[in-house]
Amino acid sequence: DIQMTQSPSSLSASVGDRVTITCQASQDISNYLNWYQQKPGKAPKLLIYDASNLETGVPSRFSGSGSGTDFTFTISSLQPEDIATYYCQQYDNLTWTFGQGTKVEIK
Amino acid sequence: QLQLQESGPGLVKPSETLSLTCTVSGGSISSSSYYWGWIRQPPGKGLEWIGSIYYSGSTYYNPSLKSRVTISVDTSKNQFSLKLSSVTAADTAVYYCARRQDATGWFDPWGQGTLVTVSS
Repeated sequence: DIQMTQSPSSLSASVGDRVTITCQASQDISNYLNWYQQKPGKAPKLLIYDASNLETGVPSRFSGSGSGTDFTFTISSLQPEDIATYYCQQYDNLTWTFGQGTKVEIK
Repeated sequence: QLQLQESGPGLVKPSETLSLTCTVSGGSISSSSYYWGWIRQPPGKGLEWIGSIYYSGSTYYNPSLKSRVTISVDTSKNQFSLKLSSVTAADTAVYYCARRQDATGWFDPWGQGTLVTVSS
């Protein structure tokens, strides 16, 4: 099974800061990597699909990059409404696996 | 706008079978373009994919849960269901249903989720 290692598990940043989260797959998954935002008590929301494609309606301050085993999710300028937990998710060979999550807080 | 809604008992006894239903509105579950899935999240923890089903009944399950999971579809009611047998406290979680487009790997949209607690 493919394992996903997401880091950091939590971070604290100021409004306007650039925030970066990484996700590493245990084997090559091409670009089959998605990113979700989950706010407390809510279902996850798709932000980025296939590593770098911004879902319709998602603000452009969110972006993703990477391929193979190493992926990055970036918030270019952190906003108060971005407080949430972010998850990466891979799909390969008919299995779907999520990273452990990164909780983003305002400093 | 497609919406998904989970329903089922919020409390299940250990060793019994957890049963949940996801009702799809605003679209047909019989669309050839989509798969329908279940994902769970233990309190304070991360997300775990449970399994997915096509309207024809074709299924894919998480290998770690495969021996206990059954997902089925009822196209006449625009619903799909999850059964998880022999539950323990470790199965306590918020259970989400979600849609996945064929030939893609992401889930969107999701239901609001329903908390199922396993306790005697």
